Amino acid sequence: DGGITQSPKYLFRKEGQNVTLSCEQNLNHDAMYWYRQDPGQGLRLIYYSQIVNDFQKGDIAEGYSVSREKKESFPLTVTSAQKNPTAFYLCASSIVLGYEQYFGPGTRLTVT
Amino acid sequence: GESVGLHLPTLSVQEGDNSIINCAYSNSASDYFIWYKQESGKGPQFIIDIRSNMDKRQGQRVTVLLNKTVKHLSLQIAATQPGDSAVYFCAEMKRFRGNEKLTFGTGTRLTIIP
Repeated sequence: DGGITQSPKYLFRKEGQNVTLSCEQNLNHDAMYWYRQDPGQGLRLIYYSQIVNDFQKGDIAEGYSVSREKKESFPLTVTSAQKNPTAFYLCASSIVLGYEQYFGPGTRLTVT
Repeated sequence: GESVGLHLPTLSVQEGDNSIINCAYSNSASDYFIWYKQESGKGPQFIIDIRSNMDKRQGQRVTVLLNKTVKHLSLQIAATQPGDSAVYFCAEMKRFRGNEKLTFGTGTRLTIIP
């Protein structure tokens, strides 16, 4: 059963805490991405990784960090520096950069 | 500036009728476009894509049309069904510092009327 998994589906945190969102894929894709989606809006790119041990900032990287130690995994940490962390976070992957992206089911993060 | 936008934020269609969702883009250098479907609380699902060297591409019940002259993209869904109710996004692939990334529009909510 191939695909992209994100966990957990819902996550609640107190303001000031860092939180890490998981993203795993078994599609053997080189490229992985993190997006943020706010209500009634499109997707905005946070970070992307073209290959293991490499990642680049997207349009809204401030307050976020990532790592890509394994091809299958691309965790996203939402730090306390992110001013508006409550959002729906989507992870995606593609065989390489420039090809269609496939999305995970998302994690809804609520920070109070 | 460069943008990907949608003409209509909401669209209601009678079940069984055809749906047409439109999208405008502003970067004539974009060479790849994707349509995604997103159901409530789920991640976007790839529907169909088209490259700039084509003006039409068909899938199962869906057709994407690309008009490069007016920088317009449309998604046609034939014989819409209740399961087609979702938000539809167009996405534009454009080069950025040598790496291609997708830019998404804000989406059109399609509602199917029984």
